[in-house]
Amino acid sequence: GAGVSQSPSNKVTEKGKDVELRCDPISGHTALYWYRQRLGQGLEFLIYFQGNSAPDKSGLPSDRFSAERTGESVSTLTIQRTQQEDSAVYLCASSRQLSGNTIYFGEGSWLTVV
Amino acid sequence: KNEVEQSPQNLTAQEGEFITINCSYSVGISALHWLQQHPGGGIVSLFMLSSGKKKHGRLIATINIQEKHSSLHITASHPRDSAVYICAVDMDSNYQLIWGAGTKLIIKP
Repeated sequence: GAGVSQSPSNKVTEKGKDVELRCDPISGHTALYWYRQRLGQGLEFLIYFQGNSAPDKSGLPSDRFSAERTGESVSTLTIQRTQQEDSAVYLCASSRQLSGNTIYFGEGSWLTVV
Repeated sequence: KNEVEQSPQNLTAQEGEFITINCSYSVGISALHWLQQHPGGGIVSLFMLSSGKKKHGRLIATINIQEKHSSLHITASHPRDSAVYICAVDMDSNYQLIWGAGTKLIIKP
């Protein structure tokens, strides 16, 4: 597609349920990033992929969070046993390479845990 | 001390004013990014630069590698420029972008 596409755009879920967020990066972009942004706060780095490899998972907030990427395309961020503090917008971004390239963001997936 | 510092945190100005937002960093970088986020909206990349100066419309970004400092300027500011402006750096040593806290800009008509 022309831009980074994320789905769902909005998700309301009950505490304790699992959610899966999807990101379709721009075609040909090897680097993919996941960020979290709580209301009124800055970006919080979660994880990045180079191809389908995620060398640094230290940004994931807890073991309830996991992410995978198939090939150099779609990535999914899974949150298990959601908690209210997981409520945030989850932003995906991609770039042609990891460093020194323009970063393109998706519109985000707004997650509300009730 | 944060590795990327932005100033000011908040800025309110009148339409037409010349705006400057600053970004200082303490690490070795390969590139610096300026991005814009409108309230409730997505994030848009404005500039990526590793040296010198870039201009796009009313926006100008400069970087001084020796001083580890970058500025984003907006000429003839307009209310539609109201947004959060974020500075981020590509570190030399790893592939994680380091983000500034953002500058919230409000332009009053």
